[in-house]
Amino acid sequence: DGGITQSPKYLFRKEGQNVTLSCEQNLNHDAMYWYRQDPGQGLRLIYYSQIVNDFQKGDIAEGYSVSREKKESFPLTVTSAQKNPTAFYLCASSRGQERADTQYFGPGTRLTVL
Amino acid sequence: GQQVMQIPQYQHVQEGEDFTTYCNSSTTLSNIQWYKQRPGGHPVFLIQLVKSGEVKKQKRLTFQFGEAKKNSSLHITATQTTDVGTYFCAGRSDKLIFGTGTRLQVFP
Repeated sequence: DGGITQSPKYLFRKEGQNVTLSCEQNLNHDAMYWYRQDPGQGLRLIYYSQIVNDFQKGDIAEGYSVSREKKESFPLTVTSAQKNPTAFYLCASSRGQERADTQYFGPGTRLTVL
Repeated sequence: GQQVMQIPQYQHVQEGEDFTTYCNSSTTLSNIQWYKQRPGGHPVFLIQLVKSGEVKKQKRLTFQFGEAKKNSSLHITATQTTDVGTYFCAGRSDKLIFGTGTRLQVFP
């Protein structure tokens, strides 16, 4: 059963702590993306990776970091430097390296900072 | 920079009424995609439009791409409660930009 998995579904963090969100895909897609969604708002791109061992900043990369050591995995770390991290985080992948390819989204992780 | 705006932000309709959401880009697009996100869920790809003036239908959903390739619309005929969710357009010029979304609520 192919798809994208994200874990955990809900995550609570204390202020000042780093936290890592998992994203795994078995679609054999080259490109992967991380988006942030705030209530009533659209999707804002945090980071994207078009190929293993390479990634680029999106529109709101400050306070976040990523790695792409394997094609299947694209974990996102929300650092303590992110001033307002409470949000819904969506991981996506696409077949090719064109960012306009159809994007397949994971179920998301809802992060709450206490 | 490239911007993609959607209107309206919210729409409440009675079941059976029609619904339309509009997407406008500040730049000419090479293609546009539409996604649907159910409450509590994640965006799911619906369709992609590429040609100027293109019209595509999926059952009660009609998608249009403007002649100038700077705007698009999604029209739902005779809404049902299963249509509830947020509809996003995503336009591509040099990169893919998601619109702000239109949240549709359907009352039975």
